[in-house]
Amino acid sequence: EIVLTQSPGTLSLSPGERATLSCRASQSVSSSYLAWYQQKPGQAPRLLIYGAASRATGIPDRFSGSGSGTDFTLTISRLEPEDFAVYYCQQYGRSVTFGQGTKLEIK
Amino acid sequence: EVQLVESGGGLVKPGGSLRLSCAASGFSFSTYTMNWVRQAPGKGLEWVSSISSSSTYIYYADSVKGRFTISRDNAKNSLYLQMNSLRAEDTAVYYCARYDSSGYYSFDYWGQGTLVTVSS
Repeated sequence: EIVLTQSPGTLSLSPGERATLSCRASQSVSSSYLAWYQQKPGQAPRLLIYGAASRATGIPDRFSGSGSGTDFTLTISRLEPEDFAVYYCQQYGRSVTFGQGTKLEIK
Repeated sequence: EVQLVESGGGLVKPGGSLRLSCAASGFSFSTYTMNWVRQAPGKGLEWVSSISSSSTYIYYADSVKGRFTISRDNAKNSLYLQMNSLRAEDTAVYYCARYDSSGYYSFDYWGQGTLVTVSS
């Protein structure tokens, strides 16, 4: 099973700042099969990025994904108040696994 | 509009059984692979099971293999999860989620979830 490790566990930033979230895989992951989700309290996750770098429908362009192999990054270029949430990466391979999440909180 | 609505959650004793349902609308249900994903209270996401459009391919997480059974009824636009031999560690919100249609195996739509609590 591929283990995804997200860092940092918690990221404290202010609106307007840039956020960089990391997702590291224990084995190489096909870029086609790496996704990012946002989850707010009491809500279901929402797909942000699929195929490592493609934005899902309706996702603002301040969200971008990059990476390949074992290292992937979600970048939020300029934080809006509604971006403070928990973010998960997910991979599809022989099984499906999620990272443990990064909580993005207001500083 | 794509909608996924789960039901069937509740309180059950350890060793008991429960059947979850997911009613789909707003898309051609019979052409999509569907999944169950769960989230224990205060914890992260865990994929549980997937079923292909015609039920040909079915997969389970090791943590539920032999205890849970996924199924679907394309005529009723419905997805199911039969959960037997439930354990305290199965306590979670269970989400129904659709795989995207483009082969990226990301979950592009989710239901609101149904809470399953396993406790004596």
